[in-house]
Amino acid sequence: EAQVTQNPRYLITVTGKKLTVTCSQNMNHEYMSWYRQDPGLGLRQIYYSMNVEVTDKGDVPEGYKVSRKEKRNFPLILESPSPNQTSLYFCASSLFRNNSPLHFGNGTRLTVT
Amino acid sequence: GEDVEQSLFLSVREGDSSVINCTYTDSSSTYLYWYKQEPGAGLQLLTYIFSNMDMKQDQRLTVLLNKKDKHLSLRIADTQTGDSAIYFCAESRFANAGKSTFGDGTTLTVKP
Repeated sequence: EAQVTQNPRYLITVTGKKLTVTCSQNMNHEYMSWYRQDPGLGLRQIYYSMNVEVTDKGDVPEGYKVSRKEKRNFPLILESPSPNQTSLYFCASSLFRNNSPLHFGNGTRLTVT
Repeated sequence: GEDVEQSLFLSVREGDSSVINCTYTDSSSTYLYWYKQEPGAGLQLLTYIFSNMDMKQDQRLTVLLNKKDKHLSLRIADTQTGDSAIYFCAESRFANAGKSTFGDGTTLTVKP
């Protein structure tokens, strides 16, 4: 089944403790992206990647890192999480061609205390 | 910069039509999308329209685009309780949907 898989679904952590949220897609998509969803702010893009070893900042990259060493994986790294990073995070992927829609994972709900 | 706006809530009765509206500011938008988010899940593409089209129909869904007013609408005919979800409007200047700007989402509640 074609899908984007994020792990974990839920994560509670403390300020400053490094964490990684994994994202994997099995559709051979070139494009991958991370978003955060917050009430009243909609979906905001954190980082994106157009292909292996090619990453770029989205609208809200501060406090986050990403890597794209393989086409299928695009982990999101929080080196020193803070409470303002408490949010619902989505990974998405797409082909890099006309009309190719985004395919989203089911989300990771992160709470930083 | 780009901005996409939607009303936050819409409530309809089962069997009625729902119309969800969206306005955007980027006149160079090329593709406009509607995504649906059900509780506990990610967004799923419902439909999209290219900027040189005025209307697109797909079963119960009708998308209308007024490019002059930068207004996009999604009409759901014969709305069912299973249509209750958050609907996101998104625009992109690029062929790759990944560089889309999303609205804040409209929560549609369908009452029996």
